[in-house]
Amino acid sequence: AQTVTQSQPEMSVQEAETVTLSCTYDTSENNYYLFWYKQPPSRQMILVIRQEAYKQQNATENRFSVNFQKAAKSFSLKISDSQLGDTAMYFCAFMTDYGGSQGNLIFGKGTKLSVKP
Amino acid sequence: DGGITQSPKYLFRKEGQNVTLSCEQNLNHDAMYWYRQDPGQGLRLIYYSQIVNDFQKGDIAEGYSVSREKKESFPLTVTSAQKNPTAFYLCASSLPTGQDWNYGYTFGSGTRLTVV
Repeated sequence: AQTVTQSQPEMSVQEAETVTLSCTYDTSENNYYLFWYKQPPSRQMILVIRQEAYKQQNATENRFSVNFQKAAKSFSLKISDSQLGDTAMYFCAFMTDYGGSQGNLIFGKGTKLSVKP
Repeated sequence: DGGITQSPKYLFRKEGQNVTLSCEQNLNHDAMYWYRQDPGQGLRLIYYSQIVNDFQKGDIAEGYSVSREKKESFPLTVTSAQKNPTAFYLCASSLPTGQDWNYGYTFGSGTRLTVV
């Protein structure tokens, strides 16, 4: 079974600085998808960024970028120029491309990020 | 605007009662999901449905039931058999399998269930 591990329960960063959130996963599959979701205090889940495993190029969305290391099964999220509005829980998630669980998202336990003024 | 609507936002249940959480979407998504969120536990899959009139158990289905009679609706019933139902419940949907389903989910705003 696939698992997703986020080893940092809480992190903090000063406004305008850069922070990296870690995520590792375990799978025997070759093709899959990885996601980072943000959950602010409103508790609305928001998709931040996605990565397809067959693409070597790291995904980027404005201030958010990932470092995808397929061999190491690592998928970290880098937030540049941190803003107060980035304060949220961040969840890493894995989606398989095969079998009966195709399309199901498996989540890590989350990292609570606080951006300090 | 298209989206997913969960209701109610807050729900209180007495011991021994069944309660039903509503989830409606107008995105024309085939697949719908229910997750439970507890502090420090992330999101855990309760049930999912990839097509009308069919649904599958997730990782923590015991004490819950669902139905999928319409494409737009996927209600979750928390039964009295669920011993620790106090949690935040999230409903989600995704594009049809085989198309752009791997672009992630659209989530509702959640229901906070508390046992009193």
